Amino acid sequence: QLQLQESGPGLVKPSETLSLTCTVSGGSISTDTYYWGWIRQSPGKGLEWIGNVFHGGSTYYNPSLKSRVTISVDTSQNQFSLELRSVTAADTAVYYCARASFGVVTAYFDYWGQGNLVTVSS
Amino acid sequence: EIVLTQSPGTLSLSPGERATLSCRASQSVDSSYLAWYQQKPDQAPRLLIYGTSSRATGIPDRFSGSGSGTDFTLTISRLEPEDFAVYYCQQLGSSMGIIFGPGTKVEIK
Repeated sequence: QLQLQESGPGLVKPSETLSLTCTVSGGSISTDTYYWGWIRQSPGKGLEWIGNVFHGGSTYYNPSLKSRVTISVDTSQNQFSLELRSVTAADTAVYYCARASFGVVTAYFDYWGQGNLVTVSS
Repeated sequence: EIVLTQSPGTLSLSPGERATLSCRASQSVDSSYLAWYQQKPDQAPRLLIYGTSSRATGIPDRFSGSGSGTDFTLTISRLEPEDFAVYYCQQLGSSMGIIFGPGTKVEIK
């Protein structure tokens, strides 16, 4: 059974960089069939897509976050990571990692991590 | 960019009733990329439907999806107690961006 687990600090100071890692178990991140994505949810709000990464390194980002985001993959560790720079209180959210079926005829997230609450505060 | 609108914002129903949730796109979209998720409090979203009408693995057949163009529907034929949750639709936008709707909360009447 595929499992995803987010890890990283729960508190980040304003203007600093939020860094999270997603560890994939029960399957290989190097599959050619799937991308790997990050989605966030501000408290009491809806879902916001951050971006997707392929094991080869190609990425797609939400245009509204693109200037501050980097998503990368470490196939040796079966992990992928999120960096969000210059954070503000508006970046406080639960951050989810997920497996993405993302291609010519599909776009959905079928396996999700449990989520990691990140609060931006001094 | 495509905008997804979901209605109603809140749906108050009793167990056993039929739920009809709407997702409308601001422009015609490819139905291959329309998905629905269920989210319960303090849980990650769960994929219900992809490609407008295909049920994800393990999803009961009381959940069904339909639609085309700009109008899509998630139907729960008979609400079970565990179905009371928030439901999101999702579509692929331009430049391979993922867009979520604002959600519909299905609450117990």
